[in-house]
Amino acid sequence: QKEVEQDPGPLSVPEGAIVSLNCTYSNSAFQYFMWYRQYSRKGPELLMYTYSSGNKEDGRFTAQVDKSSKYISLFIRDSQPSDSATYLCAMSSNAGGTSYGKLTFGQGTILTVHP
Amino acid sequence: ETGVTQTPRHLVMGMTNKKSLKCEQHLGHNAMYWYKQSAKKPLELMFVYSLEERVENNSVPSRFSPECPNSSHLFLHLHTLQPEDSALYLCASSFRDSPMGYTFGSGTRLTVV
Repeated sequence: QKEVEQDPGPLSVPEGAIVSLNCTYSNSAFQYFMWYRQYSRKGPELLMYTYSSGNKEDGRFTAQVDKSSKYISLFIRDSQPSDSATYLCAMSSNAGGTSYGKLTFGQGTILTVHP
Repeated sequence: ETGVTQTPRHLVMGMTNKKSLKCEQHLGHNAMYWYKQSAKKPLELMFVYSLEERVENNSVPSRFSPECPNSSHLFLHLHTLQPEDSALYLCASSFRDSPMGYTFGSGTRLTVV
């Protein structure tokens, strides 16, 4: 079983739709949860991060973490064509004091928002 | 380009060639990483350098050889590669104790023929 599972899609939605992206994980030690966005021909860029459980909102984006279910989500409201990208979830159990902050990534979900 | 810069952006090499990928970061970070990204697979961590010391080598074949001469530069030396090594190679950097502060380069698209 993979440590982090993410449906690769592809997911295609009309402009203005609410998008829900999800990951499940098996390692209960994960405490830091991140979403990266990767445009074509670019490297991933950090979109949002959350520590432990709860919600975090940033503009049209909301990240949710449910540690009891080992499930994280990213919601995109009023989706735009510029949101078309691959979205990767990433997780870490490091809390500092280690040699580096190790991340475990999901496979990535390809999202297309069409006008 | 600021942040993390990777060169070349594209590379085509034969199986008997030797080439090197270069990564440079201007963020003052003290950890640097090489990742391999293949279609329909999660990012695969290859090597980690923390404070210029290699701290992780994820069972990567010896045909890949990393080098970190200082905290700002990272190289990946390639020799006698296989077609299955064709992929996007991403460099990233961060502060060593921060799992949330990775900055990635745009990657080198490698094709082995």
